[in-house]
Amino acid sequence: ETGVTQSPTHLIKTRGQQVTLRCSSQSGHNTVSWYQQALGQGPQFIFQYYREEENGRGNFPPRFSGLQFPNYSSELNVNALELDDSALYLCASSFDPPVSTDTQYFGPGTRLTVL
Amino acid sequence: DQQVKQNSPSLSVQEGRISILNCDYTNSMFDYFLWYKKYPAEGPTFLISISSIKDKNEDGRFTVFLNKSAKHLSLHIVPSQPGDSAVYFCAASGLSGGSNYKLTFGKGTLLTVNP
Repeated sequence: ETGVTQSPTHLIKTRGQQVTLRCSSQSGHNTVSWYQQALGQGPQFIFQYYREEENGRGNFPPRFSGLQFPNYSSELNVNALELDDSALYLCASSFDPPVSTDTQYFGPGTRLTVL
Repeated sequence: DQQVKQNSPSLSVQEGRISILNCDYTNSMFDYFLWYKKYPAEGPTFLISISSIKDKNEDGRFTVFLNKSAKHLSLHIVPSQPGDSAVYFCAASGLSGGSNYKLTFGKGTLLTVNP
């Protein structure tokens, strides 16, 4: 059973650019959530995808968008990058939007630096 | 406005002693609480959870206590081991925002267990 993987590990972009981060869910999982973890903070919920549809969104502007593919892998896209977008981006996969959330498994994250 | 608060940024304990990590929340809609552990360069790993219908949940060396009236939960680790040294995040979920899958995290507490 493979765990959650994310690519790339690290990324450096300049302000105004666009970035795409990728996540492969754990085998058998059909739900993906994305979180942003700024330095010294806890992870903040960006949005969740369930069976290719957005299923809940946190307090992030529309320039943060996502996709989930038929194989349940996922992308996070951020347009018009700002300096404050510098953070660790985590994805977490689970099987069905659970009533209990103890089955969210996190990937190692992508460290994005915006210069 | 932080809905989940971990007021101790760090905690240091001796090996074999008890570690107590605390967490407070403000949102009454939260009905499920989790603790995650995070090592550097890894994603958060689920540790233990508790539903709001319980006041205690135990799993080996780890016990979580929930005091709903005080909106407070704590994680007890007994006995503490050097391998427990990590950042511990308290997280909560509920029906706020129309989604019961979003996790709201605290800022984390760095636990150091000294041999």
